[in-house]
Amino acid sequence: EPEVTQTPSHQVTQMGQEVILRCVPISNHLYFYWYRQILGQKVEFLVSFYNNEISEKSEIFDDQFSVERPDGSNFTLKIRSTKLEDSAMYFCASSDYVVQFFGPGTRLTVL
Amino acid sequence: GIQVEQSPPDLILQEGANSTLRCNFSDSVNNLQWFHQNPWGQLINLFYIPSGTKQNGRLSATTVATERYSLLYISSSQTTDSGVYFCAVVRGSTLGRLYFGRGTQLTVWP
Repeated sequence: EPEVTQTPSHQVTQMGQEVILRCVPISNHLYFYWYRQILGQKVEFLVSFYNNEISEKSEIFDDQFSVERPDGSNFTLKIRSTKLEDSAMYFCASSDYVVQFFGPGTRLTVL
Repeated sequence: GIQVEQSPPDLILQEGANSTLRCNFSDSVNNLQWFHQNPWGQLINLFYIPSGTKQNGRLSATTVATERYSLLYISSSQTTDSGVYFCAVVRGSTLGRLYFGRGTQLTVWP
């Protein structure tokens, strides 16, 4: 069964460093999303992406964040200068127009 | 945004027991999904159920869209059912953002 994949599974970084989280959506899906979950809290929407453009973004998705689809298969989330409060599980999702399917997540730890 | 309330927040069961988890939402929705977050943090799709009833093995779900709630039933629970169960909804286009509830933490003891 096709699935969304994410790399790395766990990333540890120093405050102020840039990180890039990578996702490979399900191959025939056209709509992509990033969500995050701070430990013990609910899952929060960051951004949605379609046709090489951001469709919607939340108030969390400020200038420190960017998304890109650098080729036909990858979808990336970049955090330019990480803060302690960026520590969270980051989930990528893709949609078949109806259901959103989530990847296994990348656990980001900012020290 | 839309408010999603889940109850109970915590549920402790003995193996073999049945349970009902509830999700209330504050506005009409075009998509509702139930997820199970396993101990490794992965979000597993259980149901896409904007209305009606669906069953998958020991799990079933019912959404009454006109009354703005959904129920997830787990029968004959097993220790592997432990984890957090999230309800999430989309308002407007089915391609919109998912709004998640805070989840129900289920612990099943042998």
